[in-house]
Amino acid sequence: DAGVIQSPRHEVTEMGQEVTLRCKPISGHDYLFWYRQTMMRGLELLIYFNNNVPIDDSGMPEDRFSAKMPNASFSNLKIQPSEPRDSAVYFCASSQRTDSGANVLTFGAGSRLTVL
Amino acid sequence: KQEVTQIPAALSVPEGENLVLNCSFTDSAIYNLQWFRQDPGKGLTSLLLIQSSQREQTSGRLNASLDKSSGRSTLYIAASQPGDSATYLCAVRPSSGGGADGLTFGKGTHLIIQP
Repeated sequence: DAGVIQSPRHEVTEMGQEVTLRCKPISGHDYLFWYRQTMMRGLELLIYFNNNVPIDDSGMPEDRFSAKMPNASFSNLKIQPSEPRDSAVYFCASSQRTDSGANVLTFGAGSRLTVL
Repeated sequence: KQEVTQIPAALSVPEGENLVLNCSFTDSAIYNLQWFRQDPGKGLTSLLLIQSSQREQTSGRLNASLDKSSGRSTLYIAASQPGDSATYLCAVRPSSGGGADGLTFGKGTHLIIQP
């Protein structure tokens, strides 16, 4: 398996533009997580899905952020309109619950977003 | 709300030394605790996972301990090597939700091993 695949790796956009970040989880994983990483706040959980259903979106900062998982092999995170304070690295991670209850996350390489 | 703190924020040591990274968390109701490694410009790689019922886990030169009641974990790295240079993050998963909820991360310890 190629691991968790995120695109784009880097995006530079102007304030007010729509941004779409994409994620392909590992095949067979039934959990998908979106995290945001900044120097000031570290890694923050934005939203996670189980079997394509959003379970907890309490970390989504504002209505400008939305995430969907239309099927088991794809999720996207949209920011509309984008603002400079949204500049961060956005990580997608997926996992599969084991018999022991462990839920080891595999992270993608991240999408670095810069909003000018 | 769970808070995870890692001390020190940065550490630089000569090659060959043994070292300890510290992690503390405010809510002891955790399902498990994980240590991750992050290289510059890369994603996170899971190093060790300790279930709440366990006291420690070992993988090669790495040993992680967990004291759930006091809200502390340590990551011990033996005989450090330049390739160990990275940021090390600690993360806890709450016991609510059956262990399926998202992780709460510390801000990490930036480790530099001098050749």
